[in-house]
Parts: sequence; C-alpha cells; structure tokens
Amino acid sequence: GAVVSQHPSWVICKSGTSVKIECRSLDFQATTMFWYRQFPKQSLMLMATSNEGSKATYEQGVEKDKFLINHASLTLSTLTVTSAHPEDSSFYICSAYTGTSGVLTDTQYFGPGTRLTVL
Amino acid sequence: GQNIDQPTEMTATEGAIVQINCTYQTSGFNGLFWYQQHAGEAPTFLSYNVLDGLEEKGRFSSFLSRSKGYSYLLLKELQMKDSASYLCAVREPLGKLIFGQGTELSVKP
Repeated sequence: GAVVSQHPSWVICKSGTSVKIECRSLDFQATTMFWYRQFPKQSLMLMATSNEGSKATYEQGVEKDKFLINHASLTLSTLTVTSAHPEDSSFYICSAYTGTSGVLTDTQYFGPGTRLTVL
Repeated sequence: GQNIDQPTEMTATEGAIVQINCTYQTSGFNGLFWYQQHAGEAPTFLSYNVLDGLEEKGRFSSFLSRSKGYSYLLLKELQMKDSASYLCAVREPLGKLIFGQGTELSVKP
C-alpha cells in the first residue's frame, strides 16, 4: 500500500525557535497534501491544504505566517512552525492525497505524525 | 458550516458487538470515512461509504444514510486491542477530510 513518512517523529525545541517537519509520499505522487494538528484527547483539526507548485490554502484561524508550508514536489511537503511557543506543542500529522476520488476507497494516506514539544 | 457529531466515549465487553454513531451536516459530501487511532499514532483507515447502505469488512461494518446525514461503525467480536479512538470523517469534493471529535472506545474483559 501507499506509504507516507514524516520526519522527525518527535522534536523538542526552545520557545522562539523554528521547527521544520517533512512529509514524503514514498511510492506515489501526491497531488495534494494536508496538514493536521491534534491536541491531546481531541480530534484532528485541518490546518492547511497544500498543492504542488502553488500556495497553500489555510483553514480559518490558522496563521499562514506562523505555519509556513512549502510543497516543492509531488512527493514532498514541509511545514515550518516559526517562532514556536509552548501552545504550539501538539501532534502534527500530514496526509497525502492521490486525487483519484472514486477509484480508490482510501485515497488519503496518513503519515505517522510528529510530536512537537516547545519548552 | 461543518458539524460532525459522535459520542465522546463508549465502553463494551470483550466478545460483544458495539455500534458507534456519527451524524453530520457538511457543505459538501464525497464520502464518509471511519478511522481507528491508537494514542500517539496516526489514524488508520477502516472503512468508506459513498453510497447508502452497509459495507462489511471482516469484523467491521459501516452504514451510511445520506438523506439522514447518518453513519455508524459496527464492531463485532470485540477484542481488547480494539480499544482505541474511532474517528468519523466526511470528505469534501476536493479531498479535504473533516473529522468528528472521535469516540474513545474501551473494551473490558
């Protein structure tokens, strides 16, 4: 099946620093990648939709200048949390979408997630 | 707007059957998904419905009624390893998934 990787799997950083998280689709090309954030005991909240070669579309309430998304190729998207603060500590999950809705039942494949802790 | 509701938590006994309900009101609809998520891990796909009716997949079945904005996930022959969070998600036409808050299922011996 389709595999999506994330790196790093966990990261601890100091307040005020920036952290980059990579999301890669390993054996397929993803037309779209989604970035989610999940706080403890809560569900996944969509942060932004990323399409290769174009600007990301952010959900309401998500600061685009704080959460920088770059989708340089059909297999790589990165999320950079700039000037991180303790309230940004969360589980960040990406997913890659093949865009073949109706052909495959599960066309959105999730990465394993990145646990970010900001001290 | 988007609104997806599911019970916050449920408890069931090993070997039993449990049904987790999900109701939704979304601006677009291109399928309803059920995911299982263990703590600290990413969601894993369980089932998908785009047409009304029941989809069966081993011990798991999922039902959809689009006119009622309603779905359920049925888990049979419960095992201890089924203790997890179960997420109902609606897919919008451009592929975006909107998740419900998740149902924490505890399976007791």
